[in-house]
Amino acid sequence: QVQLVQSGAEVKKPGASVDVSCKASGYSFTAYYIHWVRQAPGKGLEWMGWIDPHSGVANYAQKFQGRVSMTRDTSVNTAYVELTRLTSDDTAVYFCARDGPTSRPYYYNAMDVWGQGTSVSVSS
Amino acid sequence: QSVLTQAPSVSGTPGQRVTISCSGSNSNIGSNYVYWYQQLPGSAPKLLIQRKNQRPSGVPDRFSASKSGTSGSLAISGLRSEDEADYFCSTWDDSLNGPVFGGGTKLTVL
Repeated sequence: QVQLVQSGAEVKKPGASVDVSCKASGYSFTAYYIHWVRQAPGKGLEWMGWIDPHSGVANYAQKFQGRVSMTRDTSVNTAYVELTRLTSDDTAVYFCARDGPTSRPYYYNAMDVWGQGTSVSVSS
Repeated sequence: QSVLTQAPSVSGTPGQRVTISCSGSNSNIGSNYVYWYQQLPGSAPKLLIQRKNQRPSGVPDRFSASKSGTSGSLAISGLRSEDEADYFCSTWDDSLNGPVFGGGTKLTVL
């Protein structure tokens, strides 16, 4: 079945960086865009950016520009997000989610498959 | 603070019909499709309503959506205890050049 499986929970100190992975299975990984969305405790959803797994091109939300990097490794059908210079405000559950086909220019088609989420806790 | 505005909570009794509203602006809801996600406690969001107010396979027809101007709404009829969850609206924002979400509405089934 189509699924996205994310890496495990992380605990980081302020100023550190974190990497979260998202492994796709059950479909052609390069055929669909992947988003990263986070959710702080008790809060709503916040979009961080998307990556085109086919080309490797990424587009980031302005809030995270300069601090986020989204990459992919097509040999293992996995997308990655790295967030640097962490603060306590980055404590959240990070989700990857699939969007529409990469055969077309990016258009928000809705996120139809989600990873299980990765908890990232930032504390001194 | 979320770009899209939703009431923090709504409640209903089993069998009842409830609606959840989502307010935006011309740069988002006014010119783009509205999507709805359901998030059960401790779980990832699940797509409930896709483009043109259609339901993905497996979503019961008790869930329906509509849009008027810069507002969208999700209706749930025949309320069931398993519908108790957080519901998020989402759309594209032309000004921000990215997807935006509402703050979420917590549905309690009494």
